Amino acid sequence: GESVGLHLPTLSVQEGDNSIINCAYSNSASDYFIWYKQESGKGPQFIIDIRSNMDKRQGQRVTVLLNKTVKHLSLQIAATQPGDSAVYFCAENSFSSNTGKLIFGQGTTLQVKP
Amino acid sequence: EPEVTQTPSHQVTQMGQEVILRCVPISNHLYFYWYRQILGQKVEFLVSFYNNEISEKSEIFDDQFSVERPDGSNFTLKIRSTKLEDSAMYFCASSRTPEVYEQYFGPGTRLTVT
Repeated sequence: GESVGLHLPTLSVQEGDNSIINCAYSNSASDYFIWYKQESGKGPQFIIDIRSNMDKRQGQRVTVLLNKTVKHLSLQIAATQPGDSAVYFCAENSFSSNTGKLIFGQGTTLQVKP
Repeated sequence: EPEVTQTPSHQVTQMGQEVILRCVPISNHLYFYWYRQILGQKVEFLVSFYNNEISEKSEIFDDQFSVERPDGSNFTLKIRSTKLEDSAMYFCASSRTPEVYEQYFGPGTRLTVT
């Protein structure tokens, strides 16, 4: 069945270092991906998205890379800050299916050490 | 900045009881969603709602679940006879368009079934 998953449950980095969070998806029909950040006690917050016709997209301090060949997605956070500590989820949508349904991965907890 | 609100933040109920979780979506939004997150697991889609009817629902959303938009501002999720396995964080989301990147999530209601 369709699923979106993450490779590592917890990632610990030093403040100022770059972070890379990975995600694997299995649904070949997926053509739209979003990274969400979830802080304690809050709902998921949109960080960045990418469509399947792209392999890289950059935002402010964040970059998403998409490798459709191996169905892999990653989120890179540059110069990680304590405020980046949170759980990060990738989510998948089939844009062409015109549905608002998001399929989430398991989540990676990012811990930033001062 | 407008935001999705949810009440209560924490609901404790006994198995077999009915619960209603309430959400106030962002005022000009037309598309509404419920997701749930069992502790330590990924966020799961439950249902989407537009134009006073369900657009899509997951296999989790069985006959025990129902949604309603009783007035112009609230969006509710009712669980008729709660089970222990219904214990989870329930997130409401809303969007102005069907575009998934426009979904804004509320802070969630933690439901504990004892």
